[in-house]
Amino acid sequence: GENVEQHPSTLSVQEGDSAVIKCTYSDSASNYFPWYKQELGKGPQLIIDIRSNVGEKKDQRIAVTLNKTAKHFSLHITETQPEDSAVYFCAASPVYGNNRLAFGKGNQVVVIP
Amino acid sequence: DSGVTQTPKHLITATGQRVTLRCSPRSGDLSVYWYQQSLDQGLQFLIQYYNGEERAKGNILERFSAQQFPDLHSELNLSSLELGDSALYFCASSPRRTSAADTQYFGPGTRLTVL
Repeated sequence: GENVEQHPSTLSVQEGDSAVIKCTYSDSASNYFPWYKQELGKGPQLIIDIRSNVGEKKDQRIAVTLNKTAKHFSLHITETQPEDSAVYFCAASPVYGNNRLAFGKGNQVVVIP
Repeated sequence: DSGVTQTPKHLITATGQRVTLRCSPRSGDLSVYWYQQSLDQGLQFLIQYYNGEERAKGNILERFSAQQFPDLHSELNLSSLELGDSALYFCASSPRRTSAADTQYFGPGTRLTVL
């Protein structure tokens, strides 16, 4: 099955700086890559997603880039704010007639005021 | 708020017991997914239902079962509970079944503690 890996496991950034989280996946048939943000005591919240026919997608301070040849995708957060502190999960969805998400282990992002 | 609701929020029970977790999808969503989140395994897909029918199975134990009812709410039944079943259980929903990927919206989760 699909195997998704995230690096680094913990990331500390100064407020206002950028944060980048990278994920790699194993199944070349995967074509959907969402990013979720999870705050303490809450469920994962979708923040951005990208499909394999697009190389980059941006939504305000958040962007995701996808390299299908290398099988990796990255989350970029610019102008980080304290409320960006959370655990971020990347995921990949293989296309076999279903929509199961294979998640990475998560990254703890800490924004230092 | 994603629109997906889950009850109960917390559940504490003993080994060997059976519990039922409930999920109501977003209005109009036909697919329901169950995931387990533990510290060592991360978020793991358990099972998917679409409009009342099972669509996909992941790493779901035989002691676990689920169903989706005509009103589209879903229940996850966990039986013969073991200490290792302690985890967060999330339900997610999406609008339609499709071979192209569909956005999944997660509920707030049920925290299960097995003592």
